[in-house]
Amino acid sequence: GAVVSQHPSRVICKSGTSVKIECRSLDFQATTMFWYRQFPKQSLMLMATSNEGSKATYEQGVEKDKFLINHASLTLSTLTVTSAHPEDSSFYICSAEVGVDEKLFFGSGTQLSVL
Amino acid sequence: EDQVTQSPEALRLQEGESSSLNCSYTVSGLRGLFWYRQDPGKGPEFLFTLYSAGEEKEKERLKATLTKKESFLHITAPKPEDSATYLCAVQRSNDYKLSFGAGTTVTVRA
Repeated sequence: GAVVSQHPSRVICKSGTSVKIECRSLDFQATTMFWYRQFPKQSLMLMATSNEGSKATYEQGVEKDKFLINHASLTLSTLTVTSAHPEDSSFYICSAEVGVDEKLFFGSGTQLSVL
Repeated sequence: EDQVTQSPEALRLQEGESSSLNCSYTVSGLRGLFWYRQDPGKGPEFLFTLYSAGEEKEKERLKATLTKKESFLHITAPKPEDSATYLCAVQRSNDYKLSFGAGTTVTVRA
């Protein structure tokens, strides 16, 4: 299957700092990528849809100024958590659509811990 | 609003003990139902997509089926390596977004 690489896998930061998470499609081009957030024992919640060359589309309730998404190329989307606070601590996962049947392949996730 | 409910929340099986996981859904226009496997601290791994009622798909010890209201993931003669959280998700036909259930955590003991 297609490979989606996400980096870093784990990050610990101080409250008030910003953290950037990268999502790369390694063997295919992805015009659309998705960013999810997952709390322990809960389902994945879609945060935003990242479109190459245009602004991201955010889901209701997600602060676009806090979660900055950039999709500058067909193989890279980034999520920046700005001025992170402890309540932003979560597991963040990116995904990309592949193929005519638009299967979603996921990155390995980033565990963010804000102290 | 789309709803995806998975049951049971957790399932403990003895190696070789077959069982089924349930995914009940309500969605305004179903394009497809997806099953994923997620290991702790990892992203979901794609297993199956089902598009129409009556459809079935198999992969090794896993078999997924779909009706108009629910999907089942059957695990036949499971092994310890089948231990994981299994997620189902529905994709809407109007915007292709996925809505996930909370998952069923399966533990298979040797």
